[in-house]
Amino acid sequence: QSVLTQPPSASGTPGQRVTISCSGSSSNIGSNTVNWYQQLPGTAPKLLIYSNNQRPSGVPYRISGSKSGTSASLAISGLQSEDEADYFCATWDDSLNGRLFGGGTRLTVL
Amino acid sequence: QVQLVQSGAEVRKPGASVKVSCKASGYTFAGYYMHWVRQAPGQGLEWVGRINQKSGDTNFAQKFQGRVTMTRDTSTSTASMELSRLRSDDTAVYYCVYTVSTSGFDYWGQGTLVTVSS
Repeated sequence: QSVLTQPPSASGTPGQRVTISCSGSSSNIGSNTVNWYQQLPGTAPKLLIYSNNQRPSGVPYRISGSKSGTSASLAISGLQSEDEADYFCATWDDSLNGRLFGGGTRLTVL
Repeated sequence: QVQLVQSGAEVRKPGASVKVSCKASGYTFAGYYMHWVRQAPGQGLEWVGRINQKSGDTNFAQKFQGRVTMTRDTSTSTASMELSRLRSDDTAVYYCVYTVSTSGFDYWGQGTLVTVSS
């Protein structure tokens, strides 16, 4: 069981807006920045969001990240079939002195 | 552009060791941190540890303490991770991940499948 809690699944129809949550504690999300990754089957994770809300070059504006207190969220608007993938949050934990990943959320586009 | 190219798939017997390498290009190797992350089949991501590319200082997840070694060779821009006393539950894809700075921006290698089977 991961220290960072994500819902195991999420879904939406094309064009909808979907949010994925990541819940932690004061020693991890509460005091460090959060990254979000997208993973397609058989490929390495791809960085979607870093430093809570920053998009790397090439990541569309319809993907955004936010953080409040000990929780973070990833929002995908204008859902497309190509968004169907696994999504992971990640941050540093000061107590464990290590990097943590959420358990992952499988997004299904209906 | 930054590229991390990892060594090929490995098969080992329980109790053996495996060394995975990660050759970097496109940036000054003696930069920030190289992390290693693994993913067992059908499972999530798990942090193994990291090495400071400049100083060589390491820190590891507690569950790997005593079994993992991380090194870097600045002359060849290559980072390596060695895991010993392998068990079947060490079967996973192992990724090297270069963190550019404290911002968290990172680059991932393509992954190396390590299979532990008798």
